[in-house]
Amino acid sequence: DTAVSQTPKYLVTQMGNDKSIKCEQNLGHDTMYWYKQDSKKFLKIMFSYNNKELIINETVPNRFSPKSPDKAHLNLHINSLELGDSAVYFCASSRLGLSEQFFGPGTRLTVL
Amino acid sequence: DAKTTQPPSMDCAEGRAANLPCNHSTISGNEYVYWYRQIHSQGPQYIIHGLKNNETNEMASLIITEDRKSSTLILPHATLRDTAVYYCIVRVELGFQKLVFGTGTRLLVSP
Repeated sequence: DTAVSQTPKYLVTQMGNDKSIKCEQNLGHDTMYWYKQDSKKFLKIMFSYNNKELIINETVPNRFSPKSPDKAHLNLHINSLELGDSAVYFCASSRLGLSEQFFGPGTRLTVL
Repeated sequence: DAKTTQPPSMDCAEGRAANLPCNHSTISGNEYVYWYRQIHSQGPQYIIHGLKNNETNEMASLIITEDRKSSTLILPHATLRDTAVYYCIVRVELGFQKLVFGTGTRLLVSP
């Protein structure tokens, strides 16, 4: 039983393309997150959604647009991909406000 | 959120206890201490958290000093699978606040 799943696991694409990463959780949580881990392994939060509403936006470029169709899903769409977007993107979920977050396996994005 | 300081790396022999320290001298009264770990190429994994009392679960024990300015995560019998980066994070329990990951401690468990 996968608690937090992400697709795809690997994504290789050219600069300028638009791509999406999908995340689903089956834990019944109401809060979901996207994190970015760069090549130096720094893990930083990008967005957080609670009940489909954006509650944290960490000054991420507006080329990144999260979308939450329902409480169990939080997708990340990235427009006009740049080299610097290459990273591992992790989705996570939790109950409202609690810090016990459950992370997905990550999506390794490589922009060529 | 209070800042934390952790040693960049530690070594531990398999089967021995791994004691990972964390300093959080500016912690506020309503901030909890959380520990997460990240095994290579995987998503971070929650381990344990506490406010001021010592805590234990099936994965680890958390010892928080009486003044709450530091804590120690204890893995009682480290295995090779415990090799990971361990993150100490302090934040309030509730509210719309983010988890702020520092650089953590890279624990290497050797045979």
